[in-house]
Parts: sequence; structure tokens; C-alpha cells
Amino acid sequence: KQEVTQIPAALSVPEGENLVLNCSFTDSAIYNLQWFRQDPGKGLTSLLLIQSSQREQTSGRLNASLDKSSGRSTLYIAASQPGDSATYLCAVRPGGYSSASKIIFGSGTRLSIRP
Amino acid sequence: GAVVSQHPSWVICKSGTSVKIECRSLDFQATTMFWYRQFPKQSLMLMATSNEGSKATYEQGVEKDKFLINHASLTLSTLTVTSAHPEDSSFYICSAMELSYEQYFGPGTRLTVT
Repeated sequence: KQEVTQIPAALSVPEGENLVLNCSFTDSAIYNLQWFRQDPGKGLTSLLLIQSSQREQTSGRLNASLDKSSGRSTLYIAASQPGDSATYLCAVRPGGYSSASKIIFGSGTRLSIRP
Repeated sequence: GAVVSQHPSWVICKSGTSVKIECRSLDFQATTMFWYRQFPKQSLMLMATSNEGSKATYEQGVEKDKFLINHASLTLSTLTVTSAHPEDSSFYICSAMELSYEQYFGPGTRLTVT
């Protein structure tokens, strides 16, 4: 059974710092991995999606890496800003016969950027 | 990008009543929609998978008679919480999957049962 873990559960850093959020998954047979952002009381915003054949994806100040063999992904945020404060969720779509299988979410990392 | 809407965005109801939440894919057809539940400071937990024109598939531990799901068209799925109780108060989020298997999430519905 696929399990997704995110460490740390919460993180507070001063503005301007670069930071890394971690995600690990137990079964390396995945279809893709996705990072989401969730603001309090809001829905999900997709940040980056990495297909199983890819190693990383970049969007602006965000860079996500994927190492399937070790079951790990990282989300790197450069030059953090107070507006980056949110909960970041890692989600895995298991592979296998049906690529339309359900997404499994990690528990999230609550990020707070101090001005 | 693809847009998914939910209605209502928030609802307060009395214990024992039923509440219906709608999930619509606005600019694409979704043969599959998913319903998630999220408690405060916790992650999303999949409740059920809804396929257009067929019965929903519920996750273990989710009462299908309490959480009724209807996916009558390619753009609409509904979740009805029947005989709601305070412990059903939660944030409900739907997602819709397009042909490329990409999932797009709705903004969520906050349900409070008093």
C-alpha cells in the first residue's frame, strides 16, 4: 500500500531564505508526483507535476525533483517571500495497469515565512 | 487551464438534515470525479471515486448510505450528506479528471453541522 510522508510538518523561516520541503513515498511504482499549495480554508493550487520518467520540474522560484528509486521528492523554494506562506502538499499517483488511479496525498508541510 | 467549481462554498445546516454539494467541470468533460474530505490541519482523504453513469466506488470506512454520490453527466457530480451530524463538519473538495488523466481540484465546500 502506497504511503506518502512529508517532513517537516511545519517550518518557519525568515524572508529571503531558500528552503527545501521533503516528500517520501513507499512504493516507487508511480505514474507521477505532484506538488500542491493550499491556503487556509481554500482549495488546492497545482504547483508542479513530475512524470515518472522525469527528474525535475521548474516554475519560477520553485524547483521539484524526483528520485523514484529512493522514493523521494523535494520542493525547493528560492528567495522565500511572505506570500509563500501556505501548506504544501505532495501527492503521488500510483502506477500500474490503470494510469487513472487515485491520488494519494501526504500530510503536508505548513510553511510560514517571517517578514 | 481547466476549471472546477463547487457549490456552495460554505454551508451551515442543522443536525439531522441533508446537504447537497455540487462539483462541476466548467470547460471540459470529466468521466471521473473524486470526492475528498479534509479535517483541520490534516491532509485530504479520498472518500469516493465517481464515474459518469455508474455507481461510485467508496473507500474503506466511508458509509455509502450516508454520503450519496451521483455523477449524472460528464460535467456534474453531487455529494449528498444525509442526516448530517456535527462530526460530519469538514472541508469537502472534489476533483475532476480529464482525458489526459490530469486532475483538477475545486475550491472546496466548508460544511458546518450545528
